Amino acid sequence: AQSVAQPEDQVNVAEGNPLTVKCTYSVSGNPYLFWYVQYPNRGLQFLLKYITGDNLVKGSYGFEAEFNKSQTSFHLKKPSALVSDSALYFCAVRHGSGNTGKLIFGQGTTLQVKP
Amino acid sequence: DADVTQTPRNRITKTGKRIMLECSQTKGHDRMYWYRQDPGLGLRLIYYSFDVKDINKGEISDGYSVSRQAQAKFSLSLESAIPNQTALYFCATSDPTGTSGPRDTQYFGPGTRLTVL
Repeated sequence: AQSVAQPEDQVNVAEGNPLTVKCTYSVSGNPYLFWYVQYPNRGLQFLLKYITGDNLVKGSYGFEAEFNKSQTSFHLKKPSALVSDSALYFCAVRHGSGNTGKLIFGQGTTLQVKP
Repeated sequence: DADVTQTPRNRITKTGKRIMLECSQTKGHDRMYWYRQDPGLGLRLIYYSFDVKDINKGEISDGYSVSRQAQAKFSLSLESAIPNQTALYFCATSDPTGTSGPRDTQYFGPGTRLTVL
């Protein structure tokens, strides 16, 4: 069965420090991986995705994610955190080997950036 | 994303009532989805539709029904609401061709917060 795990419910980081939000996945075939962000009282917003190619994917708001096939991980990173990055982050994997477009989401990680 | 709208944004109802949540999109996408979000559980897929004539159950469809009235409209109904359906509900759309954005990227509405007393 395909699944996504975000092992940390919350990540705390000081403003200006690098941040990492972890994600591991289990999928048959080649994974399509996504990161979304949810700000309070808003819907999810797309940050970045990995399909193939370079293992380091760059996305919106200065975020990037590193695909590691051997560790089945797709961690979200940012070199210097901002207070405004505080939000709920979701990792997702496309479901199935066919072109269904369905996504399976992790349980979410709350990122708290303190001044 | 203003291209995907949901009504109402908040709703409080009583057990046993029929409720309809509506979703409209101007992105021109064929694929639409309904999710519910519960704390600590992430998003779970209720129903999805690949076009007006193609409706599919997701992982938690029991107690819910949907209607795809047009390419742009996808409604979720709770026939007889119960308290454990209290949640945040999201509609999303996607484009499998990649013509209007990254392929298979889903675009979400602002959500409907439903409380069933």
